[in-house]
Amino acid sequence: SQQGEEDPQALSIQEGENATMNCSYKTSINNLQWYRQNSGRGLVHLILIRSNEREKHSGRLRVTLDTSKKSSSLLITASRAADTASYFCATDQLRGGYQKVTFGIGTKLQVIP
Amino acid sequence: DAGVTQSPTHLIKTRGQHVTLRCSPISGHKSVSWYQQVLGQGPQFIFQYYEKEERGRGNFPDRFSARQFPNYSSELNVNALLLGDSALYLCASSLHRATNEKLFFGSGTQLSVL
Repeated sequence: SQQGEEDPQALSIQEGENATMNCSYKTSINNLQWYRQNSGRGLVHLILIRSNEREKHSGRLRVTLDTSKKSSSLLITASRAADTASYFCATDQLRGGYQKVTFGIGTKLQVIP
Repeated sequence: DAGVTQSPTHLIKTRGQHVTLRCSPISGHKSVSWYQQVLGQGPQFIFQYYEKEERGRGNFPDRFSARQFPNYSSELNVNALLLGDSALYLCASSLHRATNEKLFFGSGTQLSVL
């Protein structure tokens, strides 16, 4: 089952604009991660935010986490055509001795040059 | 260093057949996880192996099985293939099986069942 739900499911913006994607999840987590996937191939890790953190930055990426609302957002500033991809949030829990990473359904981002 | 490698990249099978997918983790990584990604959806967890033992299993039927070898490479086996098994199968490795570890993904095996 999918733990997270990204919103919107698709987003189209002009190059240079900011892109914001949201993720909601259902159960308590240890941390939350964001991944990127180009053209249905392998996923690439972008950023990890721990459950006791509220905001984290990495280059043009800014992630927030609100555990009381069970939600997270990913902001990509000054978007580029190369940012066109699908973005997934993934919740991370340690369950029964294994790392249970559960992905959302993703946001498909298109950046128009 | 080489990343996570998966083989084959593409595979076409017919219903009822068996398939074996292979994964080599990043050198030094002891944990391998398998995911199924149906078109338009996020990856769904199938298995996690750590130190050659199954540590976690997702909600998949017994037709799905896996194993991890002493060199930490892994195989995913699917028996009695169904049309619904058509998907991208992703392998991910990490150093351990703890939380707070990022996953490193291979490029996947695209399986088509006809």
